[in-house]
Amino acid sequence: EAGVTQFPSHSVIEKGQTVTLRCDPISGHDNLYWYRRVMGKEIKFLLHFVKESKQDESGMPNNRFLAERTGGTYSTLKVQPAELEDSGVYFCASSQWGGSSTDTQYFGPGTRLTVL
Amino acid sequence: AQSVTQLGSHVSVSEGALVLLRCNYSSSVPPYLFWYVQYPNQGLQLLLKYTSAATLVKGINGFEAEFKKSETSFHLTKPSAHMSDAAEYFCAVTTNNAGNMLTFGGGTRLMVKP
Repeated sequence: EAGVTQFPSHSVIEKGQTVTLRCDPISGHDNLYWYRRVMGKEIKFLLHFVKESKQDESGMPNNRFLAERTGGTYSTLKVQPAELEDSGVYFCASSQWGGSSTDTQYFGPGTRLTVL
Repeated sequence: AQSVTQLGSHVSVSEGALVLLRCNYSSSVPPYLFWYVQYPNQGLQLLLKYTSAATLVKGINGFEAEFKKSETSFHLTKPSAHMSDAAEYFCAVTTNNAGNMLTFGGGTRLMVKP
């Protein structure tokens, strides 16, 4: 069974440009999460999809970030326009629909975003 | 709201020595606690989780952790370190009130000396 995959693995862009990150969850997982780790800080929650619906987007830093999950399969996270402080590693995770906080979240390898 | 503190951003042990990675949590409601490991260029992998059943939780690769409510701790241990254990370890907490959102500690990088 394939794990969570993320593309690209690395992205280097100039301040003001747009970047789109993609996440493919484990097949059959209804829950999809985005997290971010800024250099030297903790991994922080951004948002949670259940199928195509945003269940919780309380961690999204501002309106320059737009997450979508059309059709309830893969998800994209767009940053437009990118700022220096957006640099970090963006993780995607998925879990089965069990409705429990104890369900294991399976993480992808992350996308390392560098904004110059 | 919940939080996690991992004492020691870097821990170094000799091969064969005890591994002890510290995690303390704060939560006003019963917590669920997780330890994840990240090897270079890989995603976070679940080592073990506490879900309010047994307080001593055994995980993969010989790791275990004990939930101590009185100390608000969930320290990770392994009796004998292997070189392959070198990685970054993350403690995380969630609760029924937090939906499925995980709150992570800052991570501890474990180095194993030959």
